[in-house]
Amino acid sequence: QKEVEQNSGPLSVPEGAIASLNCTYSDRGSQSFFWYRQYSGKSPELIMSIYSNGDKEDGRFTAQLNKASQYVSLLIRDSQPSDSATYLCAVFLNYGQNFVFGPGTRLSVLP
Amino acid sequence: KAGVTQTPRYLIKTRGQQVTLSCSPISGHRSVSWYQQTPGQGLQFLFEYFSETQRNKGNFPGRFSGRQFSNSRSEMNVSTLELGDSALYLCASSLEGAGNSPLHFGNGTRLTVT
Repeated sequence: QKEVEQNSGPLSVPEGAIASLNCTYSDRGSQSFFWYRQYSGKSPELIMSIYSNGDKEDGRFTAQLNKASQYVSLLIRDSQPSDSATYLCAVFLNYGQNFVFGPGTRLSVLP
Repeated sequence: KAGVTQTPRYLIKTRGQQVTLSCSPISGHRSVSWYQQTPGQGLQFLFEYFSETQRNKGNFPGRFSGRQFSNSRSEMNVSTLELGDSALYLCASSLEGAGNSPLHFGNGTRLTVT
């Protein structure tokens, strides 16, 4: 089992819809989780971090964490074409004490 | 506040050569991590430096090495380049390199090995 898994996509949603991106991780002791956005040809940029079970909202973005299920998700409300990018889930591994990234989900928002 | 700066942005090298990449972290950040990104493998962790010491290392051959200076700037070296080393090399800094301080990435160095 890979340490961090994501659906590779592409995930296509119409403009204005909610995009839902999912991530699972294997290290039950992990406590810190992050979502990054990476545009084609660019470097990853931090969108959100989440450390506690439940939801965390920031503008159009909501991160959800369920440690019991080892599951993290990112919801993007009112999706815009400018949201089209690859979204990377990152987990700070408790046993390795380093950040591990999932393969990323490519999101395409159709106008 | 200036972001993470990586130089050079692009490099073209020949098989067998060696290369050195440079990274200047965000001011005040003491941890610098290096990642290799390829279309097939995604973001792969190379190593992490904190206070001039390598604190963590990924699963890469010894041809990949790095160091960190007292001002937190870091360099990464790849010796005896292979075609498969062609990738985007990303440097990321964080305050402490712990889980409570996220990574902030530089623009990367795109290395092409011919």
